[in-house]
Amino acid sequence: DAMVIQNPRYQVTQFGKPVTLSCSQTLNHNVMYWYQQKSSQAPKLLFHYYDKDFNNEADTPDNFQSRRPNTSFCFLDIRSPGLGDAAMYLCATSTGLAGGSYNEQFFGPGTRLTVL
Amino acid sequence: DAKTTQPPSMDCAEGRAANLPCNHSTISGNEYVYWYRQIHSQGPQYIIHGLKNNETNEMASLIITEDRKSSTLILPHATLRDTAVYYCIVRGSQGNLIFGKGTKLSVKP
Repeated sequence: DAMVIQNPRYQVTQFGKPVTLSCSQTLNHNVMYWYQQKSSQAPKLLFHYYDKDFNNEADTPDNFQSRRPNTSFCFLDIRSPGLGDAAMYLCATSTGLAGGSYNEQFFGPGTRLTVL
Repeated sequence: DAKTTQPPSMDCAEGRAANLPCNHSTISGNEYVYWYRQIHSQGPQYIIHGLKNNETNEMASLIITEDRKSSTLILPHATLRDTAVYYCIVRGSQGNLIFGKGTKLSVKP
């Protein structure tokens, strides 16, 4: 089945130690998103790629970076994780961006990051 | 900021209809209303979306008021597996989903 895959499902890192989370999709969608969801909060968009075009949300810290080497894969890099970065990180895809048309976002299961 | 407001929680008896309200009084004419749900420890899942007309699919029905300032998601026969946080979302200008706090629906036996 076509899907959005996130690895690993659980990631533990140390304070200040760089960590990379990965997302892959078999849907061949143009857009890939990264969301951060802290405990008992709603998902918050960090950034997205439309093909190779990167779009950063204004309030996303510089500590968070992303790479999309090809259509199928997208990575979230946290350069120096702090205790406040502990969260669920969700990857999503969609065919397009336009708000007025049918562009359902398909979410992966998420990676739960723990920072020690 | 999210353009919607929802009650923080609701209960529903198993087998009964669950009616989840949402206010979106600042919605513009070409903005769609989307509903997603998130079961504990999973990624959000698309349910349904609509613009003006009422919509129905295999999961739910969406009733949108004529002035489009509010809508109601209806799960016709709620099951225990429908226990989740339900998000009503009006998409932003960039097409991004801006999640509000959602409604935590608890379906009880």
